[in-house]
Amino acid sequence: AQKVTQAQTEISVVEKEDVTLDCVYETRDTTYYLFWYKQPPSGELVFLIRRNSFDEQNEISGRYSWNFQKSTSSFNFTITASQVVDSAVYFCARGSSGGYNKLIFGAGTRLAVHP
Amino acid sequence: DAGITQSPRHKVTETGTPVTLRCHQTENHRYMYWYRQDPGHGLRLIHYSYGVKDTDKGEVSDGYSVSRSKTEDFLLTLESATSSQTSVYFCAISEGSSYEQYFGPGTRLTVT
Repeated sequence: AQKVTQAQTEISVVEKEDVTLDCVYETRDTTYYLFWYKQPPSGELVFLIRRNSFDEQNEISGRYSWNFQKSTSSFNFTITASQVVDSAVYFCARGSSGGYNKLIFGAGTRLAVHP
Repeated sequence: DAGITQSPRHKVTETGTPVTLRCHQTENHRYMYWYRQDPGHGLRLIHYSYGVKDTDKGEVSDGYSVSRSKTEDFLLTLESATSSQTSVYFCAISEGSSYEQYFGPGTRLTVT
């Protein structure tokens, strides 16, 4: 199976620290899509970003930034100046173009931001 | 927020009983998905639908069936619930096959 690996199970930081969540994916597809979702303690899944395989530009949204490197099959997520509200489980996922975008999720990284 | 609701939100049932979970959307999206979330596994796809009456199996479909008779509703049925099906079930919708998926609030199912 083509996996998505989030090697960091749990990360603990102090508020205002920068933190990077790693995501490595496997795929045989030429065109594919990568996603990050946030699951706060309340349990809902919040969509954060979608990246196409043919667009390797990094993206920044406020304190969030994403680094897509096709050469290493990685799509890492950085939170700058973390806040307590960033505490959540973060999931990386991969979808494919010809397969109805069935998502393969990583196991998630639990981020705890302490005051 | 995408208009997705799931019912029930919580259910406790006994082994061997049938269970149906409902996903309802008001977005008129073509694609709908059912996932289960278990510790250490992230989310895994159970079944998906790409139109009315068009459904197919996902990664962990054994013991589950689905139906979609209307665009807005996608039903997940456990014909005979087992303890291994204790999980949190999420429904998702998508506008197209290359678009992001938006998730419902989830249903916590406990099979005793």
